[in-house]
Amino acid sequence: SAVISQKPSRDICQRGTSLTIQCQVDSQVTMMFWYRQQPGQSLTLIATANQGSEATYESGFVIDKFPISRPNLTFSTLTVSNMSPEDSSIYLCSVEGGGGETQYFGPGTRLLVL
Amino acid sequence: GQQLNQSPQSMFIQEGEDVSMNCTSSSIFNTWLWYKQEPGEGPVLLIALYKAGELTSNGRLTAQFGITRKDSFLNISASIPSDVGIYFCAGKGGGADGLTFGKGTHLIIQP
Repeated sequence: SAVISQKPSRDICQRGTSLTIQCQVDSQVTMMFWYRQQPGQSLTLIATANQGSEATYESGFVIDKFPISRPNLTFSTLTVSNMSPEDSSIYLCSVEGGGGETQYFGPGTRLLVL
Repeated sequence: GQQLNQSPQSMFIQEGEDVSMNCTSSSIFNTWLWYKQEPGEGPVLLIALYKAGELTSNGRLTAQFGITRKDSFLNISASIPSDVGIYFCAGKGGGADGLTFGKGTHLIIQP
């Protein structure tokens, strides 16, 4: 399985500001994914990030709120823009594995918006 | 969209007991996955199931991909304290699809 790191591991932010979360993987992968896990809840897919193309967003998530970059095969960023307390969540990146049929997750970024 | 119903929501068991949890879906999946998440960490993949009817074990864990492709179960035998955590099922369609997660089963073990 891939080794995935995320920065920052946690942050406390003021409403109206933006935070960029970084995801680094130790091997080249085609597909990277970003998920949100609200407090005490399950994981919800935000978007799929394929290197060299625009990210594909799930229903309820838009690029203006969650812009994503995927500059190469080992790195991606997710920005949470114009934050509100409702954005307080764990944000997780994942990468494909097992021939594209499984996913491995990073440790998550714990965000609290005041 | 697709929804996964995972049950039970929580389990309080004695150490040494067997555990069973399951997920059902409103639509079919090509792959079923089971993850465990501990506090402060991301989900860790436990078992992956790739075809209908498949039964797979990983140590004390056994999982099956339902024949209808709309359900899966996970069994844990002879539970130990380190089994405590939240267990999630996840389904994947084809191609570049992301994962659809169940709501999780909180496993609590009483010594």
